Amino acid sequence: KAGVTQTPRYLIKTRGQQVTLSCSPISGHRSVSWYQQTPGQGLQFLFEYFSETQRNKGNFPGRFSGRQFSNSRSEMNVSTLELGDSALYLCASSLSTIRTHGYTFGSGTRLTVV
Amino acid sequence: ILNVEQSPQSLHVQEGDSTNFTCSFPSSNFYALHWYRWETAKSPEALFVMTLNGDEKKKGRISATLNTKEGYSYLYIKGSQPEDSATYLCAFSNNAGNMLTFGGGTRLMVKP
Repeated sequence: KAGVTQTPRYLIKTRGQQVTLSCSPISGHRSVSWYQQTPGQGLQFLFEYFSETQRNKGNFPGRFSGRQFSNSRSEMNVSTLELGDSALYLCASSLSTIRTHGYTFGSGTRLTVV
Repeated sequence: ILNVEQSPQSLHVQEGDSTNFTCSFPSSNFYALHWYRWETAKSPEALFVMTLNGDEKKKGRISATLNTKEGYSYLYIKGSQPEDSATYLCAFSNNAGNMLTFGGGTRLMVKP
């Protein structure tokens, strides 16, 4: 069974640009969550999508947005990039609830903003 | 703001040693406590999801306990092996939403 696929694996962008990251969940998983990992802050929750609707949102500015398509694939977008957005972005898919089996994570997209 | 603390931050042990680390979380509004293992250059992998006070879970040489009344969980590794070297993350949920607050992790290094 295919795992969670994130593309691209690495990305270098310039301040002020925007970026779109993609995540394809495990087949049958309808929930996709996004996390940001930085050395100083650890893993922080960005948002969760379920059945094409944002179901939960973390404390990130409006420059961070996402969406989910009818096939459960999800994208996240960061506009007007800042140096501090340099991080590893992890996507995690799950069944409706993570209370039984937890998340299955992708390998992440490493974003560097210069 | 939910505070999830893990200790120690890092740990060096010899192959064969048994070890344990701690995760502290808010004791009010508990919903679930997760443990993940994150090996270098790989994705975090779910080890346990614990939901009831007194829960004990085991997977091979790794086990975990949960005390929701006092807000802590212990992860134990018996007879550590070099392949156990990884960062162990705990994560707390206080509601039914699929969102977790992660601790900073404990980095375990097992020397052969």
